[in-house]
Amino acid sequence: AQSVTQPDIHITVSEGASLELRCNYSYGATPYLFWYVQSPGQGLQLLLKYFSGDTLVQGIKGFEAEFKRSQSSFNLRKPSVHWSDAAEYFCAVGAQGRDDKIIFGKGTRLHILP
Amino acid sequence: DAGVIQSPRHEVTEMGQEVTLRCKPISGHNSLFWYRQTMMRGLELLIYFNNNVPIDDSGMPEDRFSAKMPNASFSTLKIQPSEPRDSAVYFCASSNTGSGNQPQHFGDGTRLSIL
Repeated sequence: AQSVTQPDIHITVSEGASLELRCNYSYGATPYLFWYVQSPGQGLQLLLKYFSGDTLVQGIKGFEAEFKRSQSSFNLRKPSVHWSDAAEYFCAVGAQGRDDKIIFGKGTRLHILP
Repeated sequence: DAGVIQSPRHEVTEMGQEVTLRCKPISGHNSLFWYRQTMMRGLELLIYFNNNVPIDDSGMPEDRFSAKMPNASFSTLKIQPSEPRDSAVYFCASSNTGSGNQPQHFGDGTRLSIL
């Protein structure tokens, strides 16, 4: 069965600084990978997804993520964060050609310093 | 396009009462998921449906929880009787899984408080 680990529970960065949120997955074949963002009081919003092809995936709000099969990682990056990026970020993994479930990580809460 | 619609947004009730949460998925989506989110346990999948049929309910915590999907545009999650430990945010999500895994689209959730 697939699983996903987000090693950092909290991350604090200064506004304008670069950001990288870590995600490691476990799955025997090529997974489907997702990053979601959750602002307070709201549901999860899809930032980007990887199914196949180019391993560098562009998403909304200036985010990107890179799939590295050798490291079983799918880290989320942004070159310059804005105060509005403060939220909780979830990495998720699904199984190609299997059931419809996707497994979510525990989340990383991003704090932005002014 | 309308997203996933959940009602009510907030529910406060006393323990022992029946609670019904409602969800309208995105039109055309054929899979629907119910999640529970708490600080301690994070986001947990409770049950999911495909083409209105329950596929996996292994996440439903106990018999007090039940879910139905009578048609493609409506689902309910019911807790009877409710207990304080059921307090959480409950999310509904839907996806179109015609050819494998597709992103799930989430509603804004129902914040449930059991007193």
